[in-house]
Amino acid sequence: AQSVSQHNHHVILSEAASLELGCNYSYGGTVNLFWYVQYPGQHLQLLLKYFSGDPLVKGIKGFEAEFIKSKFSFNLRKPSVQWSDTAEYFCAVNRGGSYIPTFGRGTSLIVHP
Amino acid sequence: DAGITQSPRHKVTETGTPVTLRCHQTENHRYMYWYRQDPGHGLRLIHYSYGVKDTDKGEVSDGYSVSRSKTEDFLLTLESATSSQTSVYFCAISEPHYEQYFGPGTRLTVT
Repeated sequence: AQSVSQHNHHVILSEAASLELGCNYSYGGTVNLFWYVQYPGQHLQLLLKYFSGDPLVKGIKGFEAEFIKSKFSFNLRKPSVQWSDTAEYFCAVNRGGSYIPTFGRGTSLIVHP
Repeated sequence: DAGITQSPRHKVTETGTPVTLRCHQTENHRYMYWYRQDPGHGLRLIHYSYGVKDTDKGEVSDGYSVSRSKTEDFLLTLESATSSQTSVYFCAISEPHYEQYFGPGTRLTVT
């Protein structure tokens, strides 16, 4: 079965620090890749997505992610975090053509002002 | 935000009672999903639907049933609630580009 691993379960940073959250998946075929963000007390919202083309994708609020096919990875980055980025971040993967995603367990990010 | 509502938003119920959660969408999307979110487990798929009367099980379907008689409504039923079903339940929709849009969630407590 397909699996999605998010290696960092809890990350604590100070404002202006750089962020990188790891996401690896196990499926070897075509994939659609997503990062979602869940702010405290809210529902999940789409941060960015990759379907094809340029492996470096840009999302909302200054986030970006890079798809590295050879490493089965889709890591999320932000050069300078803000206190308002405090949230839980979920990576999700669909097999190409499937509407059923597999979610990682999430990474809790706390940014201190 | 996509037009997704969930009702009720909060519910406290006793062990052994039946509970039905409702998800309503105004986007006319074909796919609808029910997830539960628990600390340490992330988001787990309970059931999903790919059309009216077309549903299938997810990874944690035991103890849950669903129904979809109209495109816009997807119901999740706990036939006999247990304390292990205390959780936050999210409904989601998807189409046409595979990304999911989530409802506001229902916090269910089974005492």
